[in-house]
Amino acid sequence: DGGITQSPKYLFRKEGQNVTLSCEQNLNHDAMYWYRQDPGQGLRLIYYSQIVNDFQKGDIAEGYSVSREKKESFPLTVTSAQKNPTAFYLCASSPGQGVWTEAFFGQGTRLTVV
Amino acid sequence: AQSVAQPEDQVNVAEGNPLTVKCTYSVSGNPYLFWYVQYPNRGLQFLLKYITGDNLVKGSYGFEAEFNKSQTSFHLKKPSALVSDSALYFCAVRDDAGTGGFKTIFGAGTRLFVKA
Repeated sequence: DGGITQSPKYLFRKEGQNVTLSCEQNLNHDAMYWYRQDPGQGLRLIYYSQIVNDFQKGDIAEGYSVSREKKESFPLTVTSAQKNPTAFYLCASSPGQGVWTEAFFGQGTRLTVV
Repeated sequence: AQSVAQPEDQVNVAEGNPLTVKCTYSVSGNPYLFWYVQYPNRGLQFLLKYITGDNLVKGSYGFEAEFNKSQTSFHLKKPSALVSDSALYFCAVRDDAGTGGFKTIFGAGTRLFVKA
């Protein structure tokens, strides 16, 4: 089955720790995205990548970092600089750079600071 | 930059009744509009999109959306609601990422409750 896999489903972070969220896709999509979702709010774009070895900051990139070394993978690191990391994180991909293409989403990772 | 607005935080409807979830947009150029649905603790699922052509777009699970250029709206509709339609619905628009590609901008979401 083709799709996007996010892991882990639940993640707990201690104050001051960096944690990395995994996102893998086997859809052969060029573009990948990370969104943050807070209760009662919409999705806010953290980072996106249109092609391997290239990525751009979204609207709320501070305290986050990403890499895109392989087409299939787009991991997100939540650093200790992110002061309020508790949220639901969603990874998505789309087939290419066409304006008409919809996004395909993973099942999300719920990150909680303990 | 493009944007979408969902004026209702929540919509309540009885099962079997028609439902409408509202969305208005602001774009420069042609609008490319989408609807997604999210069930609890899950990712978003694509429902339908408007690119060009007919103003009434049909999508998954019996949903449809009406594009209205003069009112800059893209409302999601279903003739007969099901309890299982209860979820969070997002309207979205594609925006120029400035790097030769595009990114998706989402509205704040509307929670739909369908009562049996």
